[in-house]
Amino acid sequence: QVQLVESGGGVVQPGRSLRLSCAASGFTFSYYAIHWVRQAPGKGLEWVAVISFNGNDKYYADSVKGRFTISRDNSKNTLYLQMNSLRVEDTATYYCVRAPRPHTTMAKFDHWGQGTLVTVSS
Amino acid sequence: DIQMTQSPSSLSASVGDRVTITCRASQPITRYLNWYQQKPGKAPNLLIYAASSLQSGVPSRFSGSGSGTDFTLTISSLQPEDFATYYCQQSYTTPITFGQGTRLEIK
Repeated sequence: QVQLVESGGGVVQPGRSLRLSCAASGFTFSYYAIHWVRQAPGKGLEWVAVISFNGNDKYYADSVKGRFTISRDNSKNTLYLQMNSLRVEDTATYYCVRAPRPHTTMAKFDHWGQGTLVTVSS
Repeated sequence: DIQMTQSPSSLSASVGDRVTITCRASQPITRYLNWYQQKPGKAPNLLIYAASSLQSGVPSRFSGSGSGTDFTLTISSLQPEDFATYYCQQSYTTPITFGQGTRLEIK
């Protein structure tokens, strides 16, 4: 079955960096766009970034543009989120989410990982 | 950016009630509207996609309608496991945006 398993979360000081990973299994990873969505404690869902099936197209929320970088390694079935210059307001659970089409929009989010918590605090 | 506005923000209802949640987009999104259910401590779960298509495995008491800018999610007869938070989402264009959520509570 489809599985998405995030890792790499933890506690980090403001201004520092962290890299999240998402290991995918149970489907042909290289066929699908993948998104990152985050949720601050007690708050709603916020879309963060998307990468197309081949990595050629990437889009970001304004709140993370220039600080976060989404990437993928289709040979390892793994998605990444490099987070630099972290801010207190980046504190959230980060979900890796599959969209069942190769391109970045016009698709449902049909499989979600369990999430990894990132806490930015001094 | 396309703003998604859900109403109500919270709702109290009883088992067996019919419940409707609305979602309005700030500009037309044709039918690229999805609905998710989230329970505490869990990842969201897709209920409805493309405004009115029921995701596989989702009970038929859930239904969706609408197009353009106005959409609804209806639960025909609330069950105890339906008490959760519901989000709409537009996937028409980036940035992908979600509604603020509707918390459905037991009356």
